Amino acid sequence: AQSVTQLGSHVSVSEGALVLLRCNYSSSVPPYLFWYVQYPNQGLQLLLKYTSAATLVKGINGFEAEFKKSETSFHLTKPSAHMSDAAEYFCAVRGGNAGNNRKLIWGLGTSLAVNP
Amino acid sequence: GAGVSQSPSNKVTEKGKDVELRCDPISGHTALYWYRQSLGQGLEFLIYFQGNSAPDKSGLPSDRFSAERTGGSVSTLTIQRTQQEDSAVYLCASSLAGPAKNIQYFGAGTRLSVL
Repeated sequence: AQSVTQLGSHVSVSEGALVLLRCNYSSSVPPYLFWYVQYPNQGLQLLLKYTSAATLVKGINGFEAEFKKSETSFHLTKPSAHMSDAAEYFCAVRGGNAGNNRKLIWGLGTSLAVNP
Repeated sequence: GAGVSQSPSNKVTEKGKDVELRCDPISGHTALYWYRQSLGQGLEFLIYFQGNSAPDKSGLPSDRFSAERTGGSVSTLTIQRTQQEDSAVYLCASSLAGPAKNIQYFGAGTRLSVL
């Protein structure tokens, strides 16, 4: 079975500072991992995904995430926060096998605040 | 359409009334998902449709909740005899089929308020 843990429901950073949002997963099969972002009053949109290719994945808006199998982690980072990055961020995992089970298992989300 | 469309965007109803929420997925997407997002909570999976297969209803919280997907496209989530705890944002997503896919595209959601 798969599960996702996002450490820290709320993260606050100053504009220009490093953003680090933590995600740890458990999976009995090679995982596919996703980060989604939800801006206020909007639906979720994909930031980036890991599907067993390069372990360092680059996404939109300057975000990237590194898959570390030994740590079962997929932390999201951005070198310099911008005010527009304030949003809710969700990490998700699915099993790596093909088939009909394509449900994503979601973390509870991390709310990112960016202070001027 | 270009994206997943949900209607209405906001719905206010009285306790005990039935409501229907609509989702129009991206054309060609065979998978469709419904989620519930309560205030301060993560995403709660409700139901999943994949092509002509029987839907995965394992996330529906009670028998007051049901969903259908007609013609493999538009889906309707119905909540009967609404309760105040049903107040939440209901999100719909769709995705392409295929083992390496599963990127879900979300609608903006329907905000349901049960008074």
